Amino acid sequence: DAKTTQPPSMDCAEGRAANLPCNHSTISGNEYVYWYRQIHSQGPQYIIHGLKNNETNEMASLIITEDRKSSTLILPHATLRDTAVYYCIVRDYNQGGKLIFGQGTELSVKP
Amino acid sequence: GAVVSQHPSRVICKSGTSVKIECRSLDFQATTMFWYRQFPKQSLMLMATSNEGSKATYEQGVEKDKFLINHASLTLSTLTVTSAHPEDSSFYICSASDPQKPMNTEAFFGQGTRLTVV
Repeated sequence: DAKTTQPPSMDCAEGRAANLPCNHSTISGNEYVYWYRQIHSQGPQYIIHGLKNNETNEMASLIITEDRKSSTLILPHATLRDTAVYYCIVRDYNQGGKLIFGQGTELSVKP
Repeated sequence: GAVVSQHPSRVICKSGTSVKIECRSLDFQATTMFWYRQFPKQSLMLMATSNEGSKATYEQGVEKDKFLINHASLTLSTLTVTSAHPEDSSFYICSASDPQKPMNTEAFFGQGTRLTVV
């Protein structure tokens, strides 16, 4: 079973920051939090991952709480092309590193 | 960067026939690949872990005799849907990681294969 819970849907205005929350209260000490997104009828696209420190790359920022029980993905300036389903995943390295997907958050960026 | 490629991207087959889907790692050797299935409006469901040179590991509830997985080389895993029926119509996706990199690096996904059984 997935170790994460996310709101099923969110809206965001174009050009504004999109903040997508994720709860992972049962995360273990060495498990990383990964974020992927999926645009309709395509394979998931990697966004970012982290362990306990905040991370930033050209796509997004990842903020992980100090107790690691939750995190937030931030898209700083959302565009219409960011409309997708966003998945927060805790990766299980004890089972070959497989990714177990939860239900994700369907983000709609509106003009 | 590393790329995982699937073929075909779309396939339509008749009920009762078998369909093979290929998953290739293009610039790295993948000892392990994963196969997922996704129904409309649903999340990805892990079907099995494909291990190079050994038997695949199937998730609970997935019929190993119906979904045959072969991982005969370090760059190719195949999923064969045998005796396909309309309920097998779905979006099938594979993923792989580069074993030369630390475990805490990204897994790459193929573009998916849309299977329609008529």
